[in-house]
Amino acid sequence: NAGVTQTPKFQVLKTGQSMTLQCAQDMNHEYMSWYRQDPGMGLRLIHYSVGAGITDQGEVPNGYNVSRSTTEDFPLRLLSAAPSQTSVYFCASSYSWGGGTEAFFGQGTRLTVV
Amino acid sequence: AQTVTQSQPEMSVQEAETVTLSCTYDTSESDYYLFWYKQPPSRQMILVIRQEAYKQQNATENRFSVNFQKAAKSFSLKISDSQLGDAAMYFCAYRKYNNNDMRFGAGTRLTVKP
Repeated sequence: NAGVTQTPKFQVLKTGQSMTLQCAQDMNHEYMSWYRQDPGMGLRLIHYSVGAGITDQGEVPNGYNVSRSTTEDFPLRLLSAAPSQTSVYFCASSYSWGGGTEAFFGQGTRLTVV
Repeated sequence: AQTVTQSQPEMSVQEAETVTLSCTYDTSESDYYLFWYKQPPSRQMILVIRQEAYKQQNATENRFSVNFQKAAKSFSLKISDSQLGDAAMYFCAYRKYNNNDMRFGAGTRLTVKP
């Protein structure tokens, strides 16, 4: 059981380039989300999805796009990379919405924008 | 907005000893969940323990236990019989009962000395 798989694990981009961070889960979870982790700030929610075709913004959505065409996949797109987007990105999934549901995380993507 | 504060950026403990990590949070909600996640050097986020605000009894998972003080909005993690494998970054997190936006603290880096 692979759980939540993120690719790539590391990426260096030049300012202004675009790219897509991939996230896939094989647990049939309805809820998926993207976080960024910055030193001294913990993890902050970028976007989330409560099911295929449904997405919404989190705490820090600017500069990012998401879509959810299947239950399994939830890619995060950086439209025009900026140095402020240098961070570690985590995808997470859970079987239901809210409450004490455990979130399962991928191993993260370390992104550097130069 | 809900905020989570971890006032100890770094902590260290001797192997086999006990250590307590602090977490305070701010909320006007009456029902919510609190979590402790562990992030070892592999970057994988692992759920350590969770607590529902309505439950009076403190949660326990083997060597990990919490001291939940609802009135004081405090949620500390106690690790007993510390092991080398406990060395990691620990994040405290809050989530409203009917919401999946998990808010994280900045983290505490725990070092375990042999």
